Amino acid sequence: DIQMTQSPSSVSASVGDRVTITCRASQGISSRLAWYQQKPGKAPKLLIYAASSLQSGVPSRFSGSGSGTDFTLTISSLQPEDFASYYCQQANSFPLTFGGGTKVEIK
Amino acid sequence: QVQLVESGGGVVQPGRSLRLSCAASAFTLSTYGIHWARQAPGKGLEWVAGISYDGSHKYYADSVKGRFTISRDNSMNTLYLQMNSLRAEDTAVYYCAREWRHYDSSGYGAEYFQHWGQGTLVTVSS
Repeated sequence: DIQMTQSPSSVSASVGDRVTITCRASQGISSRLAWYQQKPGKAPKLLIYAASSLQSGVPSRFSGSGSGTDFTLTISSLQPEDFASYYCQQANSFPLTFGGGTKVEIK
Repeated sequence: QVQLVESGGGVVQPGRSLRLSCAASAFTLSTYGIHWARQAPGKGLEWVAGISYDGSHKYYADSVKGRFTISRDNSMNTLYLQMNSLRAEDTAVYYCAREWRHYDSSGYGAEYFQHWGQGTLVTVSS
């Protein structure tokens, strides 16, 4: 099984800050990676697919990069509605697996 | 608007069974693979199981293999998750999610979760 390791597990930031979250796969997964945002009590929302493609309707301040084993989600200028948890997910092979999550909190 | 609605959650004793349902609307279920994922209280997401559009392929996480069975009734536009031999560690909010298959340059169709239900809580406790 492919293990997905996210870091950091939490980050405190202010509105306007640039935030970077990383995700590392235990083996190469090409660009078959997604990022999701989840707010408390809500279902996750797809932000990025294929490592760097922005899902329709997602603000351009979100961007993704990477391939192989190392990936990054960047929020260029944090907005109040971005305080949430973020998860990566590998789509290379079954069983599909998620990273442990990163909680973005208000500083 | 695409909608997925889970039902069937509740409190169940360890070792007992429960069947979850996921009703789909505003799209033709028979053309999409569907997955179940779960989230234990205060924890992260865990993929549980997936089924292809026609039911011919089924996939399971190691943690539920042999205990859970995913199935679908396309005529009823409904997906199911039969959960047997439930354990305390199965306590979670269970989500169904519609896949979106993206084909990359090699022709591989990677599966992402484009639409999610609101979730149903399963509590395994004596």
